[in-house]
Amino acid sequence: QVHLVQSGAEVKNPGTSVRISCKASGYTFSNSAVHWVRQAPGQGLEWVGWINSLNGDTKYSQSLQGRVSIGRDSFASTSYMELSSLRYEDTAVYYCARVSPPNLWSNPFDFWGQGTLVTVSS
Amino acid sequence: SYVLTQPPSVSVAPGKTATITCGGDTIGSKSVHWYQQKPGQAPVVVVYDDSDRPSGIPERFSGSNSGNTATLTISRVEAGDEADYYCQVWATSSDLWVFGGGTKLTVL
Repeated sequence: QVHLVQSGAEVKNPGTSVRISCKASGYTFSNSAVHWVRQAPGQGLEWVGWINSLNGDTKYSQSLQGRVSIGRDSFASTSYMELSSLRYEDTAVYYCARVSPPNLWSNPFDFWGQGTLVTVSS
Repeated sequence: SYVLTQPPSVSVAPGKTATITCGGDTIGSKSVHWYQQKPGQAPVVVVYDDSDRPSGIPERFSGSNSGNTATLTISRVEAGDEADYYCQVWATSSDLWVFGGGTKLTVL
């Protein structure tokens, strides 16, 4: 049974960084991909970035390029997302989501984590 | 950047058919996925690759995609279908993934 379990809620000051983890189980982590998606309060879904778990390739949203970094620890079947220089508008629920092979680029996000609330507040 | 346009809201009476559109430039050439999100929950895919349904999703959910518009159709709408619905594609030209703005389905 596929599960994606994310780390807990975070409260951060503006200008600092946050790191969220997403631990996968129930499938072969290394041949899939993990996307990160965020949702500000009362707003829609916004794609943040992805990592190809096989080769570590990453791509990021143009709006977050330069502030976001996604990595993975294949031995721990875990993906990480770090967002730096936090702004008030980064307050959102951050989700990880899996894409399974063979079409890692065009397949749907078929399993999602429970979400992690990041609050940026002074 | 590639943009997907959805109506902000759709209302339908129970037992009727709801139609939610997703507009994008030549979206008919892309694989469109649809997600349902209920308050406080993570999204769930209800239609993928334009018109396929994951196991466990009722046959009442169907999809189509042609030209510049993809459509999610929910037949015999039930109160439990009330949720936000998002379309999503992989924009090959930019090699990035895009969500539509979302449509709130209200069951009257």
